[in-house]
Amino acid sequence: GQQVMQIPQYQHVQEGEDFTTYCNSSTTLSNIQWYKQRPGGHPVFLIQLVKSGEVKKQKRLTFQFGEAKKNSSLHITATQTTDVGTYFCAYNTDKLIFGTGTRLQVFP
Amino acid sequence: DSGVTQTPKHLITATGQRVTLRCSPRSGDLSVYWYQQSLDQGLQFLIQYYNGEERAKGNILERFSAQQFPDLHSELNLSSLELGDSALYFCASSVAGNSNQPQHFGDGTRLSIL
Repeated sequence: GQQVMQIPQYQHVQEGEDFTTYCNSSTTLSNIQWYKQRPGGHPVFLIQLVKSGEVKKQKRLTFQFGEAKKNSSLHITATQTTDVGTYFCAYNTDKLIFGTGTRLQVFP
Repeated sequence: DSGVTQTPKHLITATGQRVTLRCSPRSGDLSVYWYQQSLDQGLQFLIQYYNGEERAKGNILERFSAQQFPDLHSELNLSSLELGDSALYFCASSVAGNSNQPQHFGDGTRLSIL
């Protein structure tokens, strides 16, 4: 079946540094969602991308959907300690399948 | 607060036992999804119900079953529990039945099998 790889698995950054996580699929995706899960918390929906080449911004977060709709990225500019958590991409067929997640740690 | 309520928050039981996890979706949401999250397996989709009917199935074991009631709350039943069933079980809900809707997650039930 479809596989979505998310890289990196872990990322440790100094506060103020940028961070990017990538989601790559072997097949074309109809759309992609991004979720954030804080330590000890539950996944929280961030955004959904639908169109080829789409770029959406939420404050310091920039989300992109590749032209071929096979990959997506989440970029955080100038990380803060509040950005700590695991970021998941998720794609749907008849059900929502989550990527493996990228755990972000931010050191003050 | 996502509006999705899960009970209980924690559950400790022994191998071979049976437990029931409960979920109340957000007001107005017709779809309920169940996920299992463990350290080595990530977030795994188990099953989805939409307006009382099963809509999609994932990697749900035969020992597990679920249902959605007329008031739209859902229960996940886990039986003949094994040590490997220890995990965090999340319920999520969405307005419609298609999975390209944003899903809103509850706080989860942490199940520990001794």
